[in-house]
Amino acid sequence: QQQVKQSPQSLIVQKGGISIINCAYENTAFDYFPWYQQFPGKGPALLIAIRPDVSEKKEGRFTISFNKSAKQFSLHIMDSQPGDSATYFCADDRGSTLGRLYFGRGTQLTVWP
Amino acid sequence: DTGVSQNPRHKITKRGQNVTFRCDPISEHNRLYWYRQTLGQGPEFLTYFQNEAQLEKSRLLSDRFSAERPKGSFSTLEIQRTEQGDSAMYLCASRSGQGSNQPQHFGDGTRLSIL
Repeated sequence: QQQVKQSPQSLIVQKGGISIINCAYENTAFDYFPWYQQFPGKGPALLIAIRPDVSEKKEGRFTISFNKSAKQFSLHIMDSQPGDSATYFCADDRGSTLGRLYFGRGTQLTVWP
Repeated sequence: DTGVSQNPRHKITKRGQNVTFRCDPISEHNRLYWYRQTLGQGPEFLTYFQNEAQLEKSRLLSDRFSAERPKGSFSTLEIQRTEQGDSAMYLCASRSGQGSNQPQHFGDGTRLSIL
């Protein structure tokens, strides 16, 4: 069952533009929400993560916004670069209780130079 | 590099054969996870170890699949009597058990192709 719904499935952005990826979760038991970046032939790499008691977290060009009441969180990539072209996954991390990550289906981002 | 290491990176085998993958987690990470990823999908959880104890198994892990972590360090995932549907990327991740909100770190996976 899909416990994290991610959209859009694919995204094309011009260099310098803003990339926005959205996720919605179903369960209320959680520890935090990480975003992973995956390049072809590689495993997912942690990009940025947010705890549910924080509404926004920024690291460089990457920002997560969290809306607890709507059960949604989003990733914003400012000044998108061709090197950002990758697949991005949001996840629901139950942490120490259940251990597993529930991933969204991914967003394939292409940034045109 | 002290990240999660997986071997082999690629495995091609005929249907019906057995295969075994190995994962070496980040040292001192006591939690280890196996996931499976098919094309165009996010990773799906298979199983989870805390030290040498296998604490959780997904329904995806049929009786043809077995995972071990005998000394609480490296882990192996074996698939017996492989089927076409087993073709996928098998990912291993590890996490420190110290403190809260510790992220899972992934290896680069083993890509399995069944002929």
